Amino acid sequence: GQQLNQSPQSMFIQEGEDVSMNCTSSSIFNTWLWYKQDPGEGPVLLIALYKAGELTSNGRLTAQFGITRKDSFLNISASIPSDVGIYFCAGQLQYSGGGADGLTFGKGTHLIIQP
Amino acid sequence: NAGVMQNPRHLVRRRGQEARLRCSPMKGHSHVYWYRQLPEEGLKFMVYLQKENIIDESGMPKERFSAEFPKEGPSILRIQQVVRGDSAAYFCASSRELENTGELFFGEGSRLTVL
Repeated sequence: GQQLNQSPQSMFIQEGEDVSMNCTSSSIFNTWLWYKQDPGEGPVLLIALYKAGELTSNGRLTAQFGITRKDSFLNISASIPSDVGIYFCAGQLQYSGGGADGLTFGKGTHLIIQP
Repeated sequence: NAGVMQNPRHLVRRRGQEARLRCSPMKGHSHVYWYRQLPEEGLKFMVYLQKENIIDESGMPKERFSAEFPKEGPSILRIQQVVRGDSAAYFCASSRELENTGELFFGEGSRLTVL
């Protein structure tokens, strides 16, 4: 089955630093998504990517869909305390009929920010 | 503008009992997905449903687990004869009907504890 390798597993950084995390896959995906999960909550969608090579920003977040369609990265600039949480990458294939199978998730990157 | 609603948020069952988890998708969404999350793990796809149809149940255990999404009412994930290994957070997600872009919106999860 499809597997996603997400790294790093955890990050300890100082407030104000930039953050970079990535995901690689053994399979090609048509869509890459990045989610953030706070403790006790469900994942919240941050950025969605639909085309190989696409670079998309959402405020201080920037994500790219790798050219090979087997990888993606997420950058967070000038981190702040509320960025703390678990970040998940997810890949998806889409059926030609317009529906979609489920997402395949990475194991997450724990972001811890030291003031 | 309610999001994906899941209940109960927490459920405690003894081994051998049944657990029923409910999910109401966002307004206008007719695609529902169920995921399971173990502590310190990513989310694992279980099943994808549209109204009255199971589209993909490749992630669902063959025994004791079932899911439905009736014409009226919420989607139900049912676990019969629960065992300790079923303890996990179960997340429901929904997406739109005609614009299934892969952007899933998650509920806050139902946390099942099996004693």
